[in-house]
Amino acid sequence: QKEVEQNSGPLSVPEGAIASLNCTYSDRGSQSFFWYRQYSGKSPELIMFIYSNGDKEDGRFTAQLNKASQYVSLLIRDSQPSDSATYLCAVNKRSGGYQKVTFGTGTKLQVIP
Amino acid sequence: EAGVAQSPRYKIIEKRQSVAFWCNPISGHATLYWYQQILGQGPKLLIQFQNNGVVDDSQLPKDRFSAERLKGVDSTLKIQPAKLEDSAVYLCASSKGQGATDTQYFGPGTRLTVL
Repeated sequence: QKEVEQNSGPLSVPEGAIASLNCTYSDRGSQSFFWYRQYSGKSPELIMFIYSNGDKEDGRFTAQLNKASQYVSLLIRDSQPSDSATYLCAVNKRSGGYQKVTFGTGTKLQVIP
Repeated sequence: EAGVAQSPRYKIIEKRQSVAFWCNPISGHATLYWYQQILGQGPKLLIQFQNNGVVDDSQLPKDRFSAERLKGVDSTLKIQPAKLEDSAVYLCASSKGQGATDTQYFGPGTRLTVL
């Protein structure tokens, strides 16, 4: 079982719709969860992070965390073509005295005009 | 505030040659990471430094890869000898090194092609 799993996609949504990106993780000791966006040929950039159960909103983005189900998701409201990118889920846990971050393989999102 | 700097941006070498990548993290960031990202995959951690010391190099192919972080600032990643499967983007990232909500900032990456 992979530590962090994401559907590779592509996930296609029409412009203006809600895009829902999902991520599951295997280690119940995981503490915090990050969503990064990576445009083709570019490096990852942070969208937001979450560490408490429930929802966290930042503009058009909402992260949702359910630790009991070991599931974290990212919702993008009013999707725009400029949101077309690969979305990476990263999971942070304490390991041997330092913070260890593991990335998923990413989900490719395509927003169709 | 300047971001993470990396050089070179692109490198093409033949197999069995050696190559080195350089990274300058954001000023004051204690933690530095080197990742390998193969096309279509997520970043894979090669090595993580906390100040001068290595805290995780479990996925670093130590027979051919080496890395150092001098004086807790700049870092160099070397591959010697390179193999075809080393073709990838090598990403350097840095963070303040402050707990579970520590955010990583990535450099532009170095795209390595091994022929």
